[in-house]
Amino acid sequence: SQTIHQWPATLVQPVGSPLSLECTVEGTSNPNLYWYRQAAGRGLQLLFYSVGIGQISSEVPQNLSASRPQDRQFILSSKKLLLSDSGFYLCAWSRLAGGPGGELFFGEGSRLTVL
Amino acid sequence: AQSVTQPDIHITVSEGASLELRCNYSYGATPYLFWYVQSPGQGLQLLLKYFSGDTLVQGIKGFEAEFKRSQSSFNLRKPSVHWSDAAEYFCAVGGRRDDKIIFGKGTRLHILP
Repeated sequence: SQTIHQWPATLVQPVGSPLSLECTVEGTSNPNLYWYRQAAGRGLQLLFYSVGIGQISSEVPQNLSASRPQDRQFILSSKKLLLSDSGFYLCAWSRLAGGPGGELFFGEGSRLTVL
Repeated sequence: AQSVTQPDIHITVSEGASLELRCNYSYGATPYLFWYVQSPGQGLQLLLKYFSGDTLVQGIKGFEAEFKRSQSSFNLRKPSVHWSDAAEYFCAVGGRRDDKIIFGKGTRLHILP
């Protein structure tokens, strides 16, 4: 069966510090991978998605970046965090879009607090 | 661009009462539609999905949703809610042409005893 792991679960970082959130998927190959951010009252905002190694699509201009160095690994990074980066970050995967496999499977989330 | 509107930020119902959560979408082709539920501090769990065929879809935990193309809606219903249904509910849209899945802002459901 497929599983998705996301870490760290919680993180408290000072403004201006770097960030690295990691997500890995097991039990499937060539998944679509997604990073969403959830802030209070704003729902789930799609940040990045990837359909393959090295292929990253950015949805919202910001000081965050994403990378996919391996097929089942998706990393969210920042060189310098802002207060507005605080939130709950969710990684998700899906089978290739364009069919009934388009549903998302979510990790447990990473709560980031920037002070 | 695709988008999802959930007009109700909060909904409160009594335990045992019926429930309907509203969702309207915008998408330029045949949409794929989803409802997810999120308990506090947790990830999201899929309740149900629509891809094609019967416009009334059944999901887990006794939920159902009806796709109405003419109204661009995909409302979620349950005939009798339980206290354990208190959570946040998200509607989402994707499609055959897209790898993106876009979510609404969510509706938080409160249950009165």
